[in-house]
Amino acid sequence: EDQVTQSPEALRLQEGESSSLNCSYTVSGLRGLFWYRQDPGKGPEFLFTLYSAGEEKEKERLKATLTKKESFLHITAPKPEDSATYLCAVQAKETSGSRLTFGEGTQLTVNP
Amino acid sequence: DTGVSQDPRHKITKRGQNVTFRCDPISEHNRLYWYRQTLGQGPEFLTYFQNEAQLEKSRLLSDRFSAERPKGSFSTLEIQRTEQGDSAMYLCASSFNRVPSDTQYFGPGTRLTVL
Repeated sequence: EDQVTQSPEALRLQEGESSSLNCSYTVSGLRGLFWYRQDPGKGPEFLFTLYSAGEEKEKERLKATLTKKESFLHITAPKPEDSATYLCAVQAKETSGSRLTFGEGTQLTVNP
Repeated sequence: DTGVSQDPRHKITKRGQNVTFRCDPISEHNRLYWYRQTLGQGPEFLTYFQNEAQLEKSRLLSDRFSAERPKGSFSTLEIQRTEQGDSAMYLCASSFNRVPSDTQYFGPGTRLTVL
């Protein structure tokens, strides 16, 4: 069974204080690893897809990296508008469709 | 707006009533997914369609839940005889089938409260 564990559950940062969020996963064969951002009361917003170990992707202050067991979302010099819940999800090769298995998320708060 | 849309955004119902939600995917997307999310948890897969065919259902999906996607366009999710445990955010997502992986884009969700 596919499993995704995210840590920490919650993270408070000061504006400009860089940090990383962790996503550990277990999947028989990884088709893709996804990062989403979710604001309260809204649906998840797509950020990145990573396919193979060693891959990196960047968008503004965010950078996602992937190893064979983990993914990290690095946040550089965050701003208050980066406050949200960040969700990690995996897509396995053996599933007939494309279901995503999500972690429970990391709730990020950036204080001004 | 060409994103995924869901209707209604909020639904309050009494235990035992039936409810139906609608999802309109991004127009060129042939795959449509339903997920359920409770407070503090990540979304949990319920079912998915490719065009009009329902290809996969979660083992967690009880017989009270049914989904359709007539003509491969919009989709409906019906919950019969609602229970308080059905209270959650119901999320719809759509994607276009591509290799190596298709990216799922989510709608705003329907928040269900069962009293």
